[in-house]
Amino acid sequence: DGGITQSPKYLFRKEGQNVTLSCEQNLNHDAMYWYRQDPGQGLRLIYYSQIVNDFQKGDIAEGYSVSREKKESFPLTVTSAQKNPTAFYLCASRLDRAYTEAFFGQGTRLTVV
Amino acid sequence: AQSVTQLDSQVPVFEEAPVELRCNYSSSVSVYLFWYVQYPNQGLQLLLKYLSGSTLVKGINGFEAEFNKSQTSFHLRKPSVHISDTAEYFCAVSGPGYSSASKIIFGSGTRLSIRP
Repeated sequence: DGGITQSPKYLFRKEGQNVTLSCEQNLNHDAMYWYRQDPGQGLRLIYYSQIVNDFQKGDIAEGYSVSREKKESFPLTVTSAQKNPTAFYLCASRLDRAYTEAFFGQGTRLTVV
Repeated sequence: AQSVTQLDSQVPVFEEAPVELRCNYSSSVSVYLFWYVQYPNQGLQLLLKYLSGSTLVKGINGFEAEFNKSQTSFHLRKPSVHISDTAEYFCAVSGPGYSSASKIIFGSGTRLSIRP
């Protein structure tokens, strides 16, 4: 079955640690996105990528980093510079057309302990 | 710049009653509009989308939405809701153009709660 797989589903981070969230898709989509979701704030764009080896900052990129070495993979690293990382993180992908819908993974819930 | 406003953060309704979730967008150019649904602790699923043509769009689970260009609205409706419709609903806008470089902008969401 085609789709987007995020792992892990739950992740706990200690203060000062970097953690990496995985996102893999087998839909042959060019564009991939990372969103952060907090209660009452909807989805806020962290980073997005249209092609391999290229990505752009979204609205809240500070404290995060990404890579796009393969078309299928778009991992997100939450660095120690992110002061409030506890949130639900969603990865999405879509074809390279603005009129196409995005397909979402099941999300990763990150908690700082 | 594009933006999306969902006018209600929460909408409580009784089972089998009709419901309307409101969405207004702001854009100086033609855009594409979407409604997504999110069940607890899950990702988002597409309900329906408006690209062009007929202003009434039908989606999954009995939902429909009407595009109104003059009012820049894209309200979501269902004539009779079920307990299983309890979820958060997001309106989104994308475009213009043919490139995915145009980002998908989401509203802040409307939490629909169904009472028996």
